[in-house]
Amino acid sequence: EPEVTQTPSHQVTQMGQEVILRCVPISNHLYFYWYRQILGQKVEFLVSFYNNEISEKSEIFDDQFSVERPDGSNFTLKIRSTKLEDSAMYFCASSEGRPVETQYFGPGTRLLVL
Amino acid sequence: AQSVTQLGSHVSVSEGALVLLRCNYSSSVPPYLFWYVQYPNQGLQLLLKYTSAATLVKGINGFEAEFKKSETSFHLTKPSAHMSDAAEYFCAVSKQGGKLIFGQGTELSVKP
Repeated sequence: EPEVTQTPSHQVTQMGQEVILRCVPISNHLYFYWYRQILGQKVEFLVSFYNNEISEKSEIFDDQFSVERPDGSNFTLKIRSTKLEDSAMYFCASSEGRPVETQYFGPGTRLLVL
Repeated sequence: AQSVTQLGSHVSVSEGALVLLRCNYSSSVPPYLFWYVQYPNQGLQLLLKYTSAATLVKGINGFEAEFKKSETSFHLTKPSAHMSDAAEYFCAVSKQGGKLIFGQGTELSVKP
């Protein structure tokens, strides 16, 4: 069964460093998402991406964040200058279409900013 | 604005007992509602979804949920809990597709 994959599974970085989280969505999917979950809190929407552009973003997704689909398979989330409060589990998801196609989630990347 | 409230951050049941996980939503438009499950060290897996068709929705692993507009609820049930059901469960709402807005999650423990 096709699945969303994410790398790395864990990342530790120093405050102020740039990190890139990678995701490989399911191959025929057209919509891509990033969510995050700070320890003990809700899963929060960050951004959605369709047709090579951001379709929606949350207030969390400020100028420090960017997303990219550099080739036909990868979908990346970049945090330019990490802060302590960026420590969280980051989930990538993809769906085949809209409006109510199921979003399939990857296993997540646990980011720790020191 | 849409929101989801899950009553009870932790629920414990005995094996074979009824599972009831509560979810209430707030939405200004007809909502689409979802239940996801997360096993340790895994991603979120869809259990079931409501998309304005039948109000009683059956999902995987014997779970079902009923959409009750008058109560703005979408509670998740399973008649008989199994040890393998121990996980964290998330209720989510979306406005006819797009971003999911999640509740805070309910951790289900199953005692032998």
